[in-house]
Amino acid sequence: EVQLVESGGGLVQPGRSLRLSCTASGFTFGDYAMSWFRQAPGKGLEWVGFIRSKAYGGTTEYAASVKGRFTISRDDSKSIAYLQMNSLKTEDTAVYYCTRVGLQNWYFDLWGRGTLVTVSS
Amino acid sequence: EIVMTQSPATLSVSPGERATLSCRASQSVSSNLAWYQQKPGQAPRLLIYGASTRATGIPARFSGSGSGTEFTLTISSLQSEDFAVYYCQQYNNWPPRTFGQGTKVEIK
Repeated sequence: EVQLVESGGGLVQPGRSLRLSCTASGFTFGDYAMSWFRQAPGKGLEWVGFIRSKAYGGTTEYAASVKGRFTISRDDSKSIAYLQMNSLKTEDTAVYYCTRVGLQNWYFDLWGRGTLVTVSS
Repeated sequence: EIVMTQSPATLSVSPGERATLSCRASQSVSSNLAWYQQKPGQAPRLLIYGASTRATGIPARFSGSGSGTEFTLTISSLQSEDFAVYYCQQYNNWPPRTFGQGTKVEIK
């Protein structure tokens, strides 16, 4: 089955770190760029960042709100994408979604179910 | 950066009726427009890409149209499972991360 499964969410204090994982199955993970989104309670979708496939350099880009604090990486041998979140703030509280970027163009054709990150003291 | 504006914010429709959702871009995005559906407590799902191409497994009652700056998502006969929030996204201009604020389709 083609799917993405996020893990690693939970309750964390402000200023601390958390690493989310996105495990892919059912497709050739290394062929795809991967992206992370988040959705605060009752709010719309906010793009967090993405990582290109190795064929395109594996480079990353981030939203201004997380740049310098969050890092996306990938392990193609394990079919996992990571979101390392440092210096967490209360406003980072959200459900975090891992997504696959379409091969032909930059829409997001596969989404994980999401993992909740709550930043609170 | 391109701004995507969806209207209306909320659409009240009876089951079996047609729903028409609009998405406007602040500048032309050609046909590089996608639509997503998000049901309560679930992840978004890709419905339409290329403004009018249904994604795999999407029922034919969903159709997309438009190009340039004006786009429409039409649900021809609403089923109970279609009540959800719908988002549009442009991927013509970099960065391809611009989503509309969403239209909630609710039961009338």
